[in-house]
Amino acid sequence: DGGITQSPKYLFRKEGQNVTLSCEQNLNHDAMYWYRQDPGQGLRLIYYSQIVNDFQKGDIAEGYSVSREKKESFPLTVTSAQKNPTAFYLCASSPGTIGETQYFGPGTRLLVL
Amino acid sequence: QKEVEQNSGPLSVPEGAIASLNCTYSDRGSQSFFWYRQYSGKSPELIMSIYSNGDKEDGRFTAQLNKASQYVSLLIRDSQPSDSATYLCAVGYGATNKLIFGTGTLLAVQP
Repeated sequence: DGGITQSPKYLFRKEGQNVTLSCEQNLNHDAMYWYRQDPGQGLRLIYYSQIVNDFQKGDIAEGYSVSREKKESFPLTVTSAQKNPTAFYLCASSPGTIGETQYFGPGTRLLVL
Repeated sequence: QKEVEQNSGPLSVPEGAIASLNCTYSDRGSQSFFWYRQYSGKSPELIMSIYSNGDKEDGRFTAQLNKASQYVSLLIRDSQPSDSATYLCAVGYGATNKLIFGTGTLLAVQP
C-alpha cells in the first residue's frame, strides 16, 4: 500500500529533552512538509522540503529541526528550545510543488510530562 | 500577512439537506485551493481541489471559486451523519506550494 506513515502515534517529552518524530512516504513524492495543529487553530507550517538535502523554514520553525537525507524520509526533531511543544504534528507530501495537492500522514500527538 | 478565514461553526444541518461551507482569503495571487475533511483526532483528508473560477463537482461535493471576490465554498448535497467533521479550507501560494489553512468549520449533520 502506498502512503505516508508517521511514528509514534503518541510521544511524551520530558523537560529539556529532544524528541524526533518520524515521517516516511512511499509515494515517490518530491516535496514533504511538517505542520503543527493546536486545538481550535488551523495547521501551521513548521518546515518543508522540495528536494533531497534541501529544506526551508516555515512560519513557526523556532525550536524545531529537520533533515532530508532520503527522498522518502523527513524526520522532525522537537528541541528543548521549543517551550510549548504540546500539539498534533502532521506530516504531508506532494508530487511536486506548484499547485500540487498535499496528502497527510496519520499524525503524532506530542505531550509534555 | 496572508490569511484564510472560515466561520468556526458549528454549522448544523438536517440529514439530507445541503451544507454550505465558506472561506475567504487575502492573497490575490493565490492559485490553488483545497478543501480537507478532518474527523476528530484524525488527520486531514482531501475532499476537493479547485484552480479555476467556477464550479467543480465530485459526487455529492461541489467546490466553487470566485477569485475576484477571493471566495471559495464547498457544497455538500444530501448531507449524511458521516459527513459530520471539521472542514478545512487551504489556499496555496508561491512556487513552493505553501498552504495557508483556515481554522476550519465544524459541520454537524443531525439524523
